[in-house]
Amino acid sequence: SQTIHQWPATLVQPVGSPLSLECTVEGTSNPNLYWYRQAAGRGLQLLFYSVGIGQISSEVPQNLSASRPQDRQFILSSKKLLLSDSGFYLCAWSVDYEQFFGPGTRLTVL
Amino acid sequence: KQEVTQIPAALSVPEGENLVLNCSFTDSAIYNLQWFRQDPGKGLTSLLLIQSSQREQTSGRLNASLDKSSGRSTLYIAASQPGDSATYLCAVFGYGNSGYALNFGKGTSLLVTP
Repeated sequence: SQTIHQWPATLVQPVGSPLSLECTVEGTSNPNLYWYRQAAGRGLQLLFYSVGIGQISSEVPQNLSASRPQDRQFILSSKKLLLSDSGFYLCAWSVDYEQFFGPGTRLTVL
Repeated sequence: KQEVTQIPAALSVPEGENLVLNCSFTDSAIYNLQWFRQDPGKGLTSLLLIQSSQREQTSGRLNASLDKSSGRSTLYIAASQPGDSATYLCAVFGYGNSGYALNFGKGTSLLVTP
């Protein structure tokens, strides 16, 4: 069966520091992968979407970037965090247009 | 641009009641609609997926309907239990700016009291 992992589960970072969140998927090949953010009081917002290694699409301009160095690995990064980057970050994969989500990373920027 | 709206934003009911959560979307060109459950501080758990060609799906005490032409879906929860307390999210899967992705509503926060 397929499994999706995210780490770390919780992260507290100062403003201006770098960020790296990792997501890996097991049990499937060539999945579509997604990064979403859930900010306080707001709905889930799609940040990045990837259909394959090295192929990244961004839904909104922002302070973040994403990379997919391996088929089942998706990384969310920032060179300098802003206060507004705080939120709950969720990785997801999809097959046949159905999406499955990881456990999420709670990021607090102070 | 697809807009997904969920009503009500919050709901509190006594245990045992049947309840209905509503979801509406503006663009009917969707592939499917999913209902998710989110517990505080946790990820999303998929409850039901309705393909665009389907009218409803059922799983246990949950029943979801889809009227694509009118842009509406409902999630019916029968005989509610305190363990059903969570936030319920509706999302439609369609083609966006960068490819196929889900558009989410802001959710309905449900509290079932003993």
